[in-house]
Amino acid sequence: AQSVSQHNHHVILSEAASLELGCNYSYGGTVNLFWYVQYPGQHLQLLLKYFSGDPLVKGIKGFEAEFIKSKFSFNLRKPSVQWSDTAEYFCAVNLGPNDMRFGAGTRLTVKP
Amino acid sequence: NAGVTQTPKFQVLKTGQSMTLQCAQDMNHNSMYWYRQDPGMGLRLIYYSASEGTTDKGEVPNGYNVSRLNKREFSLRLESAAPSQTSVYFCASSEIWMGQGDTYNEQFFGPGTRLTVL
Repeated sequence: AQSVSQHNHHVILSEAASLELGCNYSYGGTVNLFWYVQYPGQHLQLLLKYFSGDPLVKGIKGFEAEFIKSKFSFNLRKPSVQWSDTAEYFCAVNLGPNDMRFGAGTRLTVKP
Repeated sequence: NAGVTQTPKFQVLKTGQSMTLQCAQDMNHNSMYWYRQDPGMGLRLIYYSASEGTTDKGEVPNGYNVSRLNKREFSLRLESAAPSQTSVYFCASSEIWMGQGDTYNEQFFGPGTRLTVL
């Protein structure tokens, strides 16, 4: 079955630490890839997206992600996290025109 | 632009009661979606509408019905609520376009409705 796996359920970091959240998908065709963020009590907001071209994509708030086709991965990174990055992060893969699959989410807690 | 709006924000129902969740978008998107979000499970698609007048089942449609009233509005109805339907419901919309043989689909989400069924 097609799926999206996020390996970390809960990550706790101190401010200024580096962040990497893993995302793997199981689908062999062409995909669109997304990372969404959900701040406490708010709706999902797009952090960044990959459609084609340069596999290293930069998003808002200093986040970036790298698409590695051979590993079916799209990991999210940030060199130095801030307390305001505390949120839940969702990886999503678009398998078709109306078929978006989401990972279970990773909760990030940044300690001040 | 308000983007995607949803009403109500919160709702408490008793088992067996019915209700309709409303969603509207002002981005002139053709496609609209209803998801539910449960802890540890991410978002799961309930129903979607690729265009006005069409609706299709997603991953978890049982217990729900939808109506695409017009291009702007897409409602989700629970005919007889059950405790298993306690969840946060998100509506989304998108415009799908094709280019260089690929399909592009970026979804925009509403603020969500937190539903509790007792």
